[in-house]
Amino acid sequence: TQLLEQSPQFLSIQEGENLTVYCNSSSVFSSLQWYRQEPGEGPVLLVTVVTGGEVKKLKRLTFQFGDARKDSSLHITAAQPGDTGLYLCAGVRGGSEKLVFGKGTKLTVNP
Amino acid sequence: AAGVIQSPRHLIKEKRETATLKCYPIPRHDTVYWYQQGPGQDPQFLISFYEKMQSDKGSIPDRFSAQQFSDYHSELNMSSLDQGDSALYFCASSSNSGGGTDTQYFGPGTRLTVL
Repeated sequence: TQLLEQSPQFLSIQEGENLTVYCNSSSVFSSLQWYRQEPGEGPVLLVTVVTGGEVKKLKRLTFQFGDARKDSSLHITAAQPGDTGLYLCAGVRGGSEKLVFGKGTKLTVNP
Repeated sequence: AAGVIQSPRHLIKEKRETATLKCYPIPRHDTVYWYQQGPGQDPQFLISFYEKMQSDKGSIPDRFSAQQFSDYHSELNMSSLDQGDSALYFCASSSNSGGGTDTQYFGPGTRLTVL
């Protein structure tokens, strides 16, 4: 079973549209990170959230950590073709150091 | 800013051979993590080291071993390779001293192909 359920798995939208990616779990995480990964490359960190209810903005990207620290969302406003890529959520549970990853959302933004 | 360095970037081996992957963490980072990512899969945690001591262990085969050296770089040693070991191997580093948020920064990966 996947500890972090990420949805949708695939998303294809037109330039200018908004989208939201969800990352859900029944477990509590001490922190949660969002990465973007290009094929054959390492995941690149976008943001880390650590406090329940925390909201962080990175230009057109808004990240939210759930109040109970069991879920997170990534919202992209006015998507651009340059946003195309694989978005991964990953969390750290208390008492462990390892990152547990979701399966990823493969986003395609069409011009 | 300096990032995590991994070498080699690509490695091709025959079955039953050995391989050594190297990782140089971000300066002043004290913790190193190794992950394996198969085709179309999410990264899976293998092992981590904090201050040169193994700190956590995941799904690492007994044929693999790793260590962290005094300069904080780490090496992943893989023996008796088989085709199922073909994957991208990532190293990540973080600073876990002084109340850090344990954010992990990933290197570019080593693509291992076992023929």
